[in-house]
Amino acid sequence: GESVGLHLPTLSVQEGDNSIINCAYSNSASDYFIWYKQESGKGPQFIIDIRSNMDKRQGQRVTVLLNKTVKHLSLQIAATQPGDSAVYFCAENAPSQKLVFGQGTRLTINP
Amino acid sequence: DTEVTQTPKHLVMGMTNKKSLKCEQHMGHRAMYWYKQKAKKPPELMFVYSYEKLSINESVPSRFSPECPNSSLLNLHLHALQPEDSALYLCASSLGQFDYEQYFGPGTRLTVT
Repeated sequence: GESVGLHLPTLSVQEGDNSIINCAYSNSASDYFIWYKQESGKGPQFIIDIRSNMDKRQGQRVTVLLNKTVKHLSLQIAATQPGDSAVYFCAENAPSQKLVFGQGTRLTINP
Repeated sequence: DTEVTQTPKHLVMGMTNKKSLKCEQHMGHRAMYWYKQKAKKPPELMFVYSYEKLSINESVPSRFSPECPNSSLLNLHLHALQPEDSALYLCASSLGQFDYEQYFGPGTRLTVT
């Protein structure tokens, strides 16, 4: 499944399919980006990060893509599992040297 | 130990009460943070401590008063709160202020009545 637009609040995918979560960041001076996963009743959990001198980084079942030209970040989750259900936030480091979070996307998994 | 702990998990307080939220980490991190998170919204930074000194205050009202007694502990003192202050308060830590990989605690769910 793929989110059809930026800032989509919810994304629903079939178990086993790949998920793509998109994020637009605001500041062209940002040089570090993080994806966080927040499950219900828990704090955000670090998933993967990427620096602006890279355009792709892979982790275990996750890949982050960075397109600096259009200030776009995406998180790809391979073979989505029920445990992937959560809200996913992208975050960028602002010039003021703090993390700024995006609005988040809720990922739900259909059995 | 890669955990940030927060107490209490839930807190209900009246507008005239004084209460404190506590956060603890034993990862040797020297930067600690308070965030506020409203329902269905992203975390918003409130305060940053670096080496036990307040580094960033995001224009937070004075009814919220942070304290960092030592490098492992972070408190948030609450006084005369308003109902709109009801939220999830998250603590986080990182190796240093410019290390953006932050480890979050589970949060304290605060309700102001």
